[in-house]
Amino acid sequence: ETGVTQTPRHLVMGMTNKKSLKCEQHLGHNAMYWYKQSAKKPLELMFVYNFKEQTENNSVPSRFSPECPNSSHLFLHLHTLQPEDSALYLCASSRETGDSGNTIYFGEGSWLTVV
Amino acid sequence: AQKVTQAQTEISVVEKEDVTLDCVYETRDTTYYLFWYKQPPSGELVFLIRRNSFDEQNEISGRYSWNFQKSTSSFNFTITASQVVDSAVYFCALSPQGAQKLVFGQGTRLTINP
Repeated sequence: ETGVTQTPRHLVMGMTNKKSLKCEQHLGHNAMYWYKQSAKKPLELMFVYNFKEQTENNSVPSRFSPECPNSSHLFLHLHTLQPEDSALYLCASSRETGDSGNTIYFGEGSWLTVV
Repeated sequence: AQKVTQAQTEISVVEKEDVTLDCVYETRDTTYYLFWYKQPPSGELVFLIRRNSFDEQNEISGRYSWNFQKSTSSFNFTITASQVVDSAVYFCALSPQGAQKLVFGQGTRLTINP
């Protein structure tokens, strides 16, 4: 059983829809991350939260809106997406961000298809 | 700049063969961490190992072993007596000093045929 759970596992949405991806970690960590993995590009870091504060936004378009209400939960709100946004979205967590030696643990991902 | 190169895009071997996945990295930092992750078809990235840049001892865990050579900036991963369940995409990653932002390689798709 993974310590990082993501829902839904699969999502198909139209370009005008609004949906959200949810992530929950049960590891007692304080940092959470969103990564994007598409067929054409390597894993891309999107957002980083440390103790609920956003510390990294890797030039992500505003149609992706993250929310971190507490250290255990992370959301990615989606609206007006494009077909090229279809990808696997991975949530991850670690103890915190200051020490590069902290291992990042990933969830199973949410497979998103934009039609 | 930090960079990780996994030159082998795909590898296919027959079960029970030994296989080595290559990883070469670039960094100017003196302190850093290296990681290997396994991604089965389900999608989850499974953590396999973390290695500190000051620890060049090789590590063995069951059928898995890792060879870290700072002189050649390489962190290679060997699976001995491969099994079908080892089929997955394997990622090597680098974490630079003072930052929690993993830099991933492109990944190597490993297929173990029965």
